[in-house]
Amino acid sequence: AQSVSQHNHHVILSEAASLELGCNYSYGGTVNLFWYVQYPGQHLQLLLKYFSGDPLVKGIKGFEAEFIKSKFSFNLRKPSVQWSDTAEYFCAVQNSGYALNFGKGTSLLVTP
Amino acid sequence: ETGVTQTPRHLVMGMTNKKSLKCEQHLGHNAMYWYKQSAKKPLELMFVYSLEERVENNSVPSRFSPECPNSSHLFLHLHTLQPEDSALYLCASSQDDRRYEQYFGPGTRLTVT
Repeated sequence: AQSVSQHNHHVILSEAASLELGCNYSYGGTVNLFWYVQYPGQHLQLLLKYFSGDPLVKGIKGFEAEFIKSKFSFNLRKPSVQWSDTAEYFCAVQNSGYALNFGKGTSLLVTP
Repeated sequence: ETGVTQTPRHLVMGMTNKKSLKCEQHLGHNAMYWYKQSAKKPLELMFVYSLEERVENNSVPSRFSPECPNSSHLFLHLHTLQPEDSALYLCASSQDDRRYEQYFGPGTRLTVT
């Protein structure tokens, strides 16, 4: 069964710092990859997705992620975080079925 | 704002009660999902319905019973739950094709006493 690892459970950054959140998955083959975000008090929202093509994917709010197939990784990046990026971030991997396999999430706190 | 709504948002029930969770999507999708989010564990898929037929069932105990009467509505019927079933239950919907992302509702926070 697919497992998804998010290495950082809690991250604290100052505004304008750069962000990179790690995501690795265990099972190869054809995968669809997602990052979801949950802002405080809100529901899960899609940040970006990768299905095929250019492995560098750009999402909303200045986020991007890079799919490295050889490393089974899909790390999320943002060059300069803002206070409003404070949220929980979830990586998800989809194989052949409908199911999204989620990581445990990374809680990001951005301080002013 | 969300195209997927869930009611109730919070539910406390005893172990002998029967209750139902409701999900409604306003996005014109034809696949719907139930996920469970327990403390310190990743979201786990429970059930998937595509065009009102169950297509995936991930070894969920029979005390959880899903129902999908049409492509816009999804229910999760609960009976004789255990305290370890306390969790956040999320509903999601998507186009009936795994190339499309899933849209999530706000969840129902369930506490079993």
